[in-house]
Amino acid sequence: AQTVTQSQPEMSVQEAETVTLSCTYDTSESDYYLFWYKQPPSRQMILVIRQEAYKQQNATENRFSVNFQKAAKSFSLKISDSQLGDAAMYFCAYRILTGGGADGLTFGKGTHLIIQP
Amino acid sequence: GAVVSQHPSRVICKSGTSVKIECRSLDFQATTMFWYRQFPKQSLMLMATSNEGSKATYEQGVEKDKFLINHASLTLSTLTVTSAHPEDSSFYICSASWFANPYEQYFGPGTRLTVT
Repeated sequence: AQTVTQSQPEMSVQEAETVTLSCTYDTSESDYYLFWYKQPPSRQMILVIRQEAYKQQNATENRFSVNFQKAAKSFSLKISDSQLGDAAMYFCAYRILTGGGADGLTFGKGTHLIIQP
Repeated sequence: GAVVSQHPSRVICKSGTSVKIECRSLDFQATTMFWYRQFPKQSLMLMATSNEGSKATYEQGVEKDKFLINHASLTLSTLTVTSAHPEDSSFYICSASWFANPYEQYFGPGTRLTVT
């Protein structure tokens, strides 16, 4: 079974600084997707960034970037120039890559990110 | 685009009654819908996967007779919690994907169920 581990229950960062959230996963599959989702107090899940395992290049989305280390099964999220609106729960998630795409996500336990003004 | 709605957003029911939660894809045809459960301050746990016109596939440990899932159309899936008990109180979130982009899931806003 696939597992996703987020070892940091809570992280705090000063506004405008950079913070890195850690995620490791365990799988025997070679093809899969990895995601970072943000869940603000509204509880709406928001996709932050996605990484296909077959791509060596790390994904980036504006201030958000990942460090994907496939051999180490590590998938960390770096948030640059942190903003107050970044405060939320962040979940790392894994999804197997099948032809039909009909597989649910396996989530880590989440990291609560606090932004200090 | 890719909007998913849930109804109701909050529901309170008495122990022993049943409650139905709807999940709708508003601007796309959802070939697959997923139901997740989230306890307070915890992560999302996949409960079941449903494909339109087929029986849902339940995750291990999820009682299929208690959590009835119906995916009768490409835009609607329902989760019915039967004979609800206080331990069923939780936040239920649905997500949907479609054939054109099967690796992306679009999440609904969630439904908070409280069983008294």
